[in-house]
Amino acid sequence: RKEVEQDPGPFNVPEGATVAFNCTYSNSASQSFFWYRQDCRKEPKLLMSVYSSGNEDGRFTAQLNRASQYISLLIRDSKLSDSATYLCVVNPWKENRDDKIIFGKGTRLHILP
Amino acid sequence: NAGVTQTPKFQVLKTGQSMTLQCAQDMNHEYMSWYRQDPGMGLRLIHYSVGAGITDQGEVPNGYNVSRSTTEDFPLRLLSAAPSQTSVYFCASSFTATGAVDSPLHFGNGTRLTVT
Repeated sequence: RKEVEQDPGPFNVPEGATVAFNCTYSNSASQSFFWYRQDCRKEPKLLMSVYSSGNEDGRFTAQLNRASQYISLLIRDSKLSDSATYLCVVNPWKENRDDKIIFGKGTRLHILP
Repeated sequence: NAGVTQTPKFQVLKTGQSMTLQCAQDMNHEYMSWYRQDPGMGLRLIHYSVGAGITDQGEVPNGYNVSRSTTEDFPLRLLSAAPSQTSVYFCASSFTATGAVDSPLHFGNGTRLTVT
């Protein structure tokens, strides 16, 4: 199993629809998780952190399932401006300072007018 | 509020030339890293540092050197540029090396490097 795995997409979704995608991770010791958004080879930007109890930020909801080792991102009422690549990030650090932050390859989302 | 500053934004090199990509952060972050991004490949870790004086190799370190003499700066050196190093390079930093939900990576704007 790859360290962090995402469906590359693209997900083609009509404007206003709800879309969700998952990210699986292999290291059960992983401690913190994030979703980043990247536009057109610009720098990735933090979309939201993922908390153990799940969290919501406006139209975006992130959830963590430790038992099955995946995180999810749900986007409601999608907008044209949501078109981007969404990167899953897993941070394994707790006690081992030498562990590295792991990026998924990203899921491409196209919102269709 | 500078955050992570990368220079230059664009660079064209001839094969065999050397150069240094600069990265500086003003957030007192412990962790700094360099990634390259190629079409269809995602972000690949080149080198990283968990603190001043400490560096380690990532996934694709060959052809690159780094040093971390101060907390703020983490330059990436291309020793002898090759066309395979044509890519977009991102520097990123985070506050803590111990991992926390509130310690995400902050990215620079990127350097677009072409080696001919």
